[in-house]
Amino acid sequence: NAGVTQTPKFQVLKTGQSMTLQCAQDMNHEYMSWYRQDPGMGLRLIHYSVGAGITDQGEVPNGYNVSRSTTEDFPLRLLSAAPSQTSVYFCASSLGLGVEQFFGPGTRLTVL
Amino acid sequence: AQTVTQSQPEMSVQEAETVTLSCTYDTSESDYYLFWYKQPPSRQMILVIRQEAYKQQNATENRFSVNFQKAAKSFSLKISDSQLGDAAMYFCAYNTGANSKLTFGKGITLSVRP
Repeated sequence: NAGVTQTPKFQVLKTGQSMTLQCAQDMNHEYMSWYRQDPGMGLRLIHYSVGAGITDQGEVPNGYNVSRSTTEDFPLRLLSAAPSQTSVYFCASSLGLGVEQFFGPGTRLTVL
Repeated sequence: AQTVTQSQPEMSVQEAETVTLSCTYDTSESDYYLFWYKQPPSRQMILVIRQEAYKQQNATENRFSVNFQKAAKSFSLKISDSQLGDAAMYFCAYNTGANSKLTFGKGITLSVRP
């Protein structure tokens, strides 16, 4: 199993550009989440999904969109990138509630 | 809203010694789950240990153990026989179990002196 995969690993954007961070898992997990990690802030939840077709907002959802058309994929869209979105983004998945979340390797995004 | 506090930004330990990382949390729930995740320089998030709040027994995984004090809302991680490979950032995290949302503390950077 590949586990949780994320692409790209690194990305540089200009302010106002849009892009999609890809996340996929091959463990048949129902629960998937997106977090951002900033220095001194820990990880903060952006959006999460409890199954295909069901998504909800986390702590810091503004400027991001998600959709979940399949169990495997959970892309994160930046609609109009801003320097405040410079961060490391992690996708995670889990089999159930209250259990281990498996994290992808992260995407380092820089917005100029 | 639930909060997780890690008040020490950095700690250092001598190789082979024992170190304890502190974590406190705030919740009104009676049933929940607590985690410690390790993030080495590779950036990969790795689960170290997990505790279910309804279990009074402290979780243990080899050299890693927790001191879970439910009434005090405290969840500290003890690393015994510290190794160079333990050097990393450690995050305490909380989950209600009602959904998949994890709330993280700000993390603590642990260095191990040879």
